[in-house]
Amino acid sequence: DARVTQTPRHKVTEMGQEVTMRCQPILGHNTVFWYRQTMMQGLELLAYFRNRAPLDDSGMPKDRFSAEMPDATLATLKIQPSEPRDSAVYFCASGLWAETQYFGPGTRLLVL
Amino acid sequence: GDSVTQMEGPVTLSEEAFLTINCTYTATGYPSLFWYVQYPGEGLQLLLKATKADDKGSNKGFEATYRKETTSFHLEKGSVQVSDSAVYFCALITQGAQKLVFGQGTRLTINP
Repeated sequence: DARVTQTPRHKVTEMGQEVTMRCQPILGHNTVFWYRQTMMQGLELLAYFRNRAPLDDSGMPKDRFSAEMPDATLATLKIQPSEPRDSAVYFCASGLWAETQYFGPGTRLLVL
Repeated sequence: GDSVTQMEGPVTLSEEAFLTINCTYTATGYPSLFWYVQYPGEGLQLLLKATKADDKGSNKGFEATYRKETTSFHLEKGSVQVSDSAVYFCALITQGAQKLVFGQGTRLTINP
């Protein structure tokens, strides 16, 4: 049963530190999404890629967030420097196109 | 722009009760409609979908009918179980669009 995997599952860090989250999409999927979920804002789309090329990152704070796909089996989301307001659950999802998305278990980030 | 509006939560029901979670949408063209479910501590997963007017999506006892005339896609289940406790998200995608548009989510709690 193919699944999206994310690492780490939990991360506690101090303000100002760099945070890197990783995602392994399901093999063969051509689209990868990064979402952030908080109680206040709900589910927000940060960025997405198709065939490893970034299509839209307008949901990300540009000054501190960056997303990349070094290869078809790895997507990364980096925050540098991190701030307490970045505390959230970050989800990666993959799919063939955008309709049916398979979500990973998420990375729970706490920035102190 | 395209949008999805769900009924306000949280919703609390007793086991075996009838469930309805309302979802209405605004979209250009003819969207495909989805319900995703998020169980505690997990990512979202597709519950059901409908791609054209009058289609009924169903899965795990849940049903939703695509109503073009009322721009609605209400989720129903005849007899809920404690294991149905989760957050439910209604979503849409229009033809040619690159991403899903999610509603804000409705938290459902089923008491034994």
